[in-house]
Amino acid sequence: NAGVMQNPRHLVRRRGQEARLRCSPMKGHSHVYWYRQLPEEGLKFMVYLQKENIIDESGMPKERFSAEFPKEGPSILRIQQVVRGDSAAYFCASSIRQGSSYEQYFGPGTRLTVT
Amino acid sequence: AQKITQTQPGMFVQEKEAVTLDCTYDTSDPSYGLFWYKQPSSGEMIFLIYQGSYDQQNATEGRYSLNFQKARKSANLVISASQLGDSAMYFCAMRGLIQGAQKLVFGQGTRLTINP
Repeated sequence: NAGVMQNPRHLVRRRGQEARLRCSPMKGHSHVYWYRQLPEEGLKFMVYLQKENIIDESGMPKERFSAEFPKEGPSILRIQQVVRGDSAAYFCASSIRQGSSYEQYFGPGTRLTVT
Repeated sequence: AQKITQTQPGMFVQEKEAVTLDCTYDTSDPSYGLFWYKQPSSGEMIFLIYQGSYDQQNATEGRYSLNFQKARKSANLVISASQLGDSAMYFCAMRGLIQGAQKLVFGQGTRLTINP
């Protein structure tokens, strides 16, 4: 049973370009979460999605960031017009259902570097 | 709002010794879950152990145990017989059942170094 897949693992973008990060949840998981980790910090929640629905985007910056989880295909985190401050590790996690006791399984992360 | 505090930025321990990583939390949720994750230098997040707020006993998973003291709002991770491979960042996290039920709130982490 494959784990959470994220690609690319490393992404380099120049300021002003767009970054697209992909996440394929574990088989049978319909809940996806995105977190951002700045250097030397803990992970910060960004957004929680179920298929075709954004459930909680309270951690998403108001501009330039968007996320989707279509009926078919991976979840996408999109960052438009990237700036140096967007450089971070972006982690996707999935769970089989909601609830405080259900573990979120993390992907390996995408390291975004903005030059 | 939920908050996790890890007060030890770094810890150095001799191999085979036990180590305790501190974690305190704050929440107004009556029911919540507490988690510990390990992040080695390769960067992935590895789930270690879970404790539910209403669990009667402290959680254990192999060499990992969670010293849960609800009245003190602490959830310290204990690693017995430490190994060189335990060197990593360790994050404490929590998730409420009612408020913000889905998102994990993480602490700043503790960097553990095991010396041979």
